[in-house]
Amino acid sequence: GESVGLHLPTLSVQEGDNSIINCAYSNSASDYFIWYKQESGKGPQFIIDIRSNMDKRQGQRVTVLLNKTVKHLSLQIAATQPGDSAVYFCAETRKAAGNKLTFGGGTRVLVKP
Amino acid sequence: GAVVSQHPSWVICKSGTSVKIECRSLDFQATTMFWYRQFPKQSLMLMATSNEGSKATYEQGVEKDKFLINHASLTLSTLTVTSAHPEDSSFYICSARIPSQGHNEQFFGPGTRLTVL
Repeated sequence: GESVGLHLPTLSVQEGDNSIINCAYSNSASDYFIWYKQESGKGPQFIIDIRSNMDKRQGQRVTVLLNKTVKHLSLQIAATQPGDSAVYFCAETRKAAGNKLTFGGGTRVLVKP
Repeated sequence: GAVVSQHPSWVICKSGTSVKIECRSLDFQATTMFWYRQFPKQSLMLMATSNEGSKATYEQGVEKDKFLINHASLTLSTLTVTSAHPEDSSFYICSARIPSQGHNEQFFGPGTRLTVL
């Protein structure tokens, strides 16, 4: 079936280290991918996006990598800070689905001081 | 940036009553808004797509007569949970998309915590 899923439900990382969150998707027609951060009791917050015609995109302290061959998406957070503690979701969309977002299961990132 | 608000932020109601949740785009017009439901420690599940001036499109398994959606203006969509039951207790989140830019990004509201007693 069509789905977007994550490999790791919880990631503990030392403050200052880099974090890598992984996501797998199954639909090769997906053409737009987004990473969201959700803090407890709040709505998702946009982090970074990438289109299917790209394989890498960088933002401030974050990098998204897209490997279409294996249908894999990752989010790298450099120099992880306590404020990065949250649940991270990947999401995919495609024009054929009316640009509706399909969310992955989420990974909780815990930053240890 | 694009800001989406929701009201109320939390609500507690008795079983059998109806609850209305508002979603507003504050600084842009949104012809399309989306309603999601999120249970504890789970991901967001799309319930329906709200289209300004027309009927909402519901996802499979979502009862349209139970979750009434009205998108009366370009800045407001409402979700009414009718005859609420404890199993409807959840975190309801709306989002809006900026269509004029051909943008796929959705901007999310802060969510509404519904507790049905």
